[in-house]
Amino acid sequence: AQSVTQLDSQVPVFEEAPVELRCNYSSSVSVYLFWYVQYPNQGLQLLLKYLSGSTLVESINGFEAEFNKSQTSFHLRKPSVHISDTAEYFCAVRGGGSYIPTFGRGTSLIVHP
Amino acid sequence: SQTIHQWPATLVQPVGSPLSLECTVEGTSNPNLYWYRQAAGRGLQLLFYSVGIGQISSEVPQNLSASRPQDRQFILSSKKLLLSDSGFYLCAWSVFDSYGYTFGSGTRLTVV
Repeated sequence: AQSVTQLDSQVPVFEEAPVELRCNYSSSVSVYLFWYVQYPNQGLQLLLKYLSGSTLVESINGFEAEFNKSQTSFHLRKPSVHISDTAEYFCAVRGGGSYIPTFGRGTSLIVHP
Repeated sequence: SQTIHQWPATLVQPVGSPLSLECTVEGTSNPNLYWYRQAAGRGLQLLFYSVGIGQISSEVPQNLSASRPQDRQFILSSKKLLLSDSGFYLCAWSVFDSYGYTFGSGTRLTVV
């Protein structure tokens, strides 16, 4: 079974600083990778996904994530964060042939002014 | 367009009372449907999933049950709530070739 590790439960950062949220998964077989964002008292929204092709994927609001097969990682980055990026971020992995992803425990990104 | 509706948004129920949370999907047919529970600091716990009408799979033993009476309707129930049932409940849907989930807005359940 897949497992997903989000190494940081909380990441505090100042506005306009860069940020990286880390995600590692357990298996190196064919996988699909996702990042979801959850704002307070809301459901999760898909931020970006890696299915195949280019290992660098981008979202419309400036986040990007890079699939690293050798390190089994899918870290999320943003070069300059805004107050509005304050939220919970979940990494998820789905193994080939399964339609049910495994979620990490989440990382709380807290952006300070 | 595809949308998912989940209600109510918040619910406060006494211990021992019944529960019914409803989730409906619009704009797609034969979706896979899921119920998750989210407790503070514990991530997402998959409770039930369904690949078709009347087909329910349970991931963990618990005080809850799920039903899918129609293709795009998924219901989470309990006959008698426990304090430990408190949490944030999320419904989600997917179709296999889309690879990602679409989540509802969630229900905050507090059992008192």
